[in-house]
Order: sequence, then C-alpha cells, then structure tokens
Amino acid sequence: QKEVEQNSGPLSVPEGAIASLNCTYSDRGSQSFFWYRQYSGKSPELIMSIYSNGDKEDGRFTAQLNKASQYVSLLIRDSQPSDSATYLCAPGNTDKLIFGTGTRLQVFP
Amino acid sequence: DAGVIQSPRHEVTEMGQEVTLRCKPISGHDYLFWYRQTMMRGLELLIYFNNNVPIDDSGMPEDRFSAKMPNASFSTLKIQPSEPRDSAVYFCASSPTGVSGQPQHFGDGTRLSIL
Repeated sequence: QKEVEQNSGPLSVPEGAIASLNCTYSDRGSQSFFWYRQYSGKSPELIMSIYSNGDKEDGRFTAQLNKASQYVSLLIRDSQPSDSATYLCAPGNTDKLIFGTGTRLQVFP
Repeated sequence: DAGVIQSPRHEVTEMGQEVTLRCKPISGHDYLFWYRQTMMRGLELLIYFNNNVPIDDSGMPEDRFSAKMPNASFSTLKIQPSEPRDSAVYFCASSPTGVSGQPQHFGDGTRLSIL
C-alpha cells in the first residue's frame, strides 16, 4: 500500500463546475495536510493547508479532512481553465511531507 | 522577498560526470529539503537539513549521491558518477519550522539530463 494515494486522473470537468480531488494516507501520525498545485514544467505551489478535522475554505478552494478515515479532499468551485494542473496531496508528520503522485485536473471551456 | 533559488535551471551532461546542484533557501528558514521528481515515482524526498545539520538521508538512492549544507544560506546536492537513470527534476524547498507549523516553499527546480 502506498503511503499517499491519489487517483492519477485526468479528471476532466467543464468550466464552472466543481472539481473534487481525493487523497488517502496511511500514516495515522500525520498532523498537517497540504495541497500543492503544479503546472506542467513548474514547481509545486502551496494552495491549501488543513490541520484539524472538518472543512477549511479559502476563496474557491475548500479542503476537507477526516483523520479517522485517513482521508483528505480538495474541492474547487467554479473551476476555470487556469485551474488545469496536477494537484499533489501531502500529509506531514513531524518535519517531513510525503507527497502523493498527484491528480491531473483538466478544466475545459 | 526572494524565494528559494536553485541553479542551474537545466543541466545536460554525459554519464560518469560529476553533477553539482545548488540551492539558496529563503532567509530565516531553518529547514531545507531536497526532492527528486520523475514521472514514474513522483516527488521523492532525498534528504533534509535542520539548522544546517542533515536529519534524514534515508531517501538518498545510493552512495553516488551526497548533500551538504555548509551554512544557512547554501546547500549542494552532488551526484558522482552520474548515470542516465538519475535524469529527473530536482527541487529544493525550505520552511521556517517543521512541517506541523509552516508549509514548504519550492525553488524552480533543476532539470537534469544524463546522456
């Protein structure tokens, strides 16, 4: 079992729709959770962090965490073509982050 | 504020040559991380430092890889001798504290091609 599992995609959604990205992790000691966005040929860029169970909203982005189920998700509302990228889930324990292989999102006009 | 600075941006060299990748973390950040990214394996942590001291090098693939951090503003990752399977994008990242406090900020990466 991989430490962090994400569906590689591509996840294709129409412009204006809600994109739902999911991630499961195996380390129950994970304390913090980050979502990074990576455009093709670019470096990962932090878009959301979440530390406690429940939802956290920031603009069009909502992160959801359920530690009992070892599940974290990212919702993108009103998806735009500029959201087309790979989204990396990264749970953290102590000093380290373990990255998933990412879900590729495609938003078509 | 300047972000994490990596050099070179691209490196093409022949198998067997020594390769040195460089990184300048964000000023004031105590943690520095080296990652390697490939299509097959995704983003892998190679080694990280806290206050210039290597904390965990369990991700370093083999003895051909070495990393140093001689001071708070500079780190190197060396591959000697290089092999074609080392071709990847190498990222450096830094954070002000451990991950439970602050996220990591990535440099633009070095795209390494070993012929």
